[in-house]
Amino acid sequence: GQNIDQPTEMTATEGAIVQINCTYQTSGFNGLFWYQQHAGEAPTFLSYNVLDGLEEKGRFSSFLSRSKGYSYLLLKELQMKDSASYLCAVMDSNYQLIWGAGTKLIIKP
Amino acid sequence: ETGVTQTPRHLVMGMTNKKSLKCEQHLGHNAMYWYKQSAKKPLELMFVYNFKEQTENNSVPSRFSPECPNSSHLFLHLHTLQPEDSALYLCASSQDSGGAGEQFFGPGTRLTVL
Repeated sequence: GQNIDQPTEMTATEGAIVQINCTYQTSGFNGLFWYQQHAGEAPTFLSYNVLDGLEEKGRFSSFLSRSKGYSYLLLKELQMKDSASYLCAVMDSNYQLIWGAGTKLIIKP
Repeated sequence: ETGVTQTPRHLVMGMTNKKSLKCEQHLGHNAMYWYKQSAKKPLELMFVYNFKEQTENNSVPSRFSPECPNSSHLFLHLHTLQPEDSALYLCASSQDSGGAGEQFFGPGTRLTVL
């Protein structure tokens, strides 16, 4: 079966760095997405990785290792507004997104 | 209006009611999706439409009936729902369903079935 695993919840301090991991087992691979979802709001796109390596976009970076079935989202200089759920999703061979259950990130002052 | 809009934002219905959820996208996309999001569970893909044609139905019970009159509008008709159908229903769109483009989501309809 297809499976995406990510931690249920993480806590970090304002101004610090946090890494949210995602491991996957899917039928084929056409890229990995990270989305951010604030409570009661729509998921919004953060990043897309299809090749191995690190993609940096401001305070957020996303890493992919296809051989290990592994990705992480790195958030630097954490701000209170970064408190949200972070969703990992893999696009399988049929171009369907397979979603993880999301990681709720709590930022403390 | 920009992006993807959904109405209503909140809906409470009894098990014998019939209601419809509406989604509209203003992005010029060709693919639209319905997802169900339950607490602490992964998003569940329900239906996919590409160029108004249904291309995916992930074993969704017949009490959920989608309709896509054109590439910009998507409906989800609901009838004789069960309490376990209470969830956040998200609509999304993308350029097309056969590519690796990102999906853009609406704010969702919070559905409660009594």
